Amino acid sequence: DIQMTQSPSSLSASVGDRVTITCQASQDISNYLNWYQQKPGKAPKLLIYDASNLETGVPSRFSGSGSGTDFTFTISSLQPEDIATYYCQQYDNLPSMYTFGQGTKLEIK
Amino acid sequence: QLQLQESGPGLVKPSETLSLTCTVSGGSISSSSYYWGWIRQPPGKGLEWIGSIYYSGSTYYNPSLKSRVTISVDTSKNQFSLKLSSVTAADTAVYYCARLIVVGARHAFDIWGQGTMVTVSS
Repeated sequence: DIQMTQSPSSLSASVGDRVTITCQASQDISNYLNWYQQKPGKAPKLLIYDASNLETGVPSRFSGSGSGTDFTFTISSLQPEDIATYYCQQYDNLPSMYTFGQGTKLEIK
Repeated sequence: QLQLQESGPGLVKPSETLSLTCTVSGGSISSSSYYWGWIRQPPGKGLEWIGSIYYSGSTYYNPSLKSRVTISVDTSKNQFSLKLSSVTAADTAVYYCARLIVVGARHAFDIWGQGTMVTVSS
């Protein structure tokens, strides 16, 4: 099974800061990597699919990059409404299954 | 606008079977580009994929839960369901249903239900 290592587990930043979260796969997953935002008490929301594609309606301050084993999620200018936990998620086809990263809890400093 | 809504008992006794249903509204569960899935989240913890189903009835499950999980679909009711047998306190979680878009190599959960809390306790 492919293991996903997401870091950091928590992050404190100021409004306007550039924020970066990383996700590392235990083996090559091409670009089969998505990013989700989960606000407290709410369901996750898809932000980025296929490593770097912005889901419709998601603000452009969110972006993703990477391929193979190393991936990065970036918020270019942190806004108060971005306070949430962020998860990466990968797809493995042998066997078909989905694995989420451990999550990164983002707080305002 | 497509919406998903989970329903089922909020309390299940240990060793019994957890049963949940997800009702899809605003669209058809029989759309060819989509699968449907269940994901759970224990209190204060991360997300775990349980399994997924296509409208034809084809399923695939998380290997760690496979022996206890059954997912089925009822296209006439636009619903799909989860059964998890022999539950223990470790199965206490918020259970989400979600639409899984499958286009080529892209597999992403793009629409989610609000989630339903299930507690396993006697």
